[in-house]
Amino acid sequence: SQQGEEDPQALSIQEGENATMNCSYKTSINNLQWYRQNSGRGLVHLILIRSNEREKHSGRLRVTLDTSKKSSSLLITASRAADTASYFCATVGTDSWGKLQFGAGTQVVVTP
Amino acid sequence: ETGVTQTPRHLVMGMTNKKSLKCEQHLGHNAMYWYKQSAKKPLELMFVYNFKEQTENNSVPSRFSPECPNSSHLFLHLHTLQPEDSALYLCASSLNWDRGSNQPQHFGDGTRLSIL
Repeated sequence: SQQGEEDPQALSIQEGENATMNCSYKTSINNLQWYRQNSGRGLVHLILIRSNEREKHSGRLRVTLDTSKKSSSLLITASRAADTASYFCATVGTDSWGKLQFGAGTQVVVTP
Repeated sequence: ETGVTQTPRHLVMGMTNKKSLKCEQHLGHNAMYWYKQSAKKPLELMFVYNFKEQTENNSVPSRFSPECPNSSHLFLHLHTLQPEDSALYLCASSLNWDRGSNQPQHFGDGTRLSIL
């Protein structure tokens, strides 16, 4: 069953703008992960945030986690055309043996 | 280069054919996974192998038969598939498969399977 649900389903922005996407989930988690998938390629891991963390940064990426609201956000600052991809959140539940539950993803298009 | 290689990249087969998908990882990981990715649907976990032992079968039909001869190689044998089995099949690996794992998974680029 689907755990993470991303919002919006699609996002179209200009180069240089920031892109924000959200993920909501239903059950208690051990961690939440964000992945990127370019067209015709596999998923690439971006960031993992543990349940006891509230914010994490990696380069132009910023992830927040609010366990009380069961939600996370991914912010891409100063977007580039190369950021065009689908972005997925995935959760590892506290009762899960490392099993990732993926959402359906947010498709981001960055135009030059 | 993710360290996980899948072959073939594309496969077209009839419903009565038998074929196999191959996955190889060069990361020294102990856990390997098969996922199915269909259009507009979340990734579906199919199988998990940890130290060559199958630890998860997510109610996958028997026409999909996995094989893990060692921690670096994973196969998915296909037989008598249905048109709805057309999808992107992704292989992934992680260091281990354990409770509440805080490890990312590393994915291959997938095999695009089309069933005629």
